[in-house]
Amino acid sequence: EKMLTQSPGSLSLSPGESATLSCTASDTITANYLAWYQQTPGQAPRLLIYAASNRATGIPDRFSGSGSGSDFTLTISRLEPEDFAVYYCHQYGSSPWTFGQGTRVEF
Amino acid sequence: QVTLKESGPALVKPTETLTLTCTLSGFSLRDFGLSVSWIRQPPGKALEWLALLDWEDDKKYSTSLRSRLTIASDMSKSQVLLTLRNVDPVDTGRYYCARTFWGSLPLHGMDVWGHGTTVIVSS
Repeated sequence: EKMLTQSPGSLSLSPGESATLSCTASDTITANYLAWYQQTPGQAPRLLIYAASNRATGIPDRFSGSGSGSDFTLTISRLEPEDFAVYYCHQYGSSPWTFGQGTRVEF
Repeated sequence: QVTLKESGPALVKPTETLTLTCTLSGFSLRDFGLSVSWIRQPPGKALEWLALLDWEDDKKYSTSLRSRLTIASDMSKSQVLLTLRNVDPVDTGRYYCARTFWGSLPLHGMDVWGHGTTVIVSS
């Protein structure tokens, strides 16, 4: 089972700043099938990035994903008020699928 | 429009069996390349993937919960059921179902989610 470790656990930033979130896997992620989700309070997760670097439909271009192998990054440039949320990485390259423990981006 | 909706009991007693239903709209598991996963989230904690059922009736499970979980579809393949046996208060949380489409590359992961249903395990 591939474990995902996210860092930092939380990030305190202001609107307009940039955020860099990391996700490290215990082993290489097959086909770089690493996704990022955003979750705001009381809401279901929303897919932001799939296959490490592809933005999902309707996701603003201030969200970008990068990385390969076992190290991945989500970058949010120019934080908007609605971007303050919890972000999870998720690997779906091999079963069982797994999630990281989340990074909270707070104001 | 593709939607998923979770339903099930809000309160379950310890040691009982929990059965949750995910009702699919805009697609079904008769459609090539589609699968449905169940994911849960204890209060204030991280997401945990539980199980997956695909269009070929292939099933995959969380390692830690495999012995207590069963995922299956109904005859119409428009509902996906998750059964969790011998529940404990640690199983309390919000349970979500989500879709994955395997028919295009690269795979998109879980691109459409239901709103979730809350389950409390308590005597």
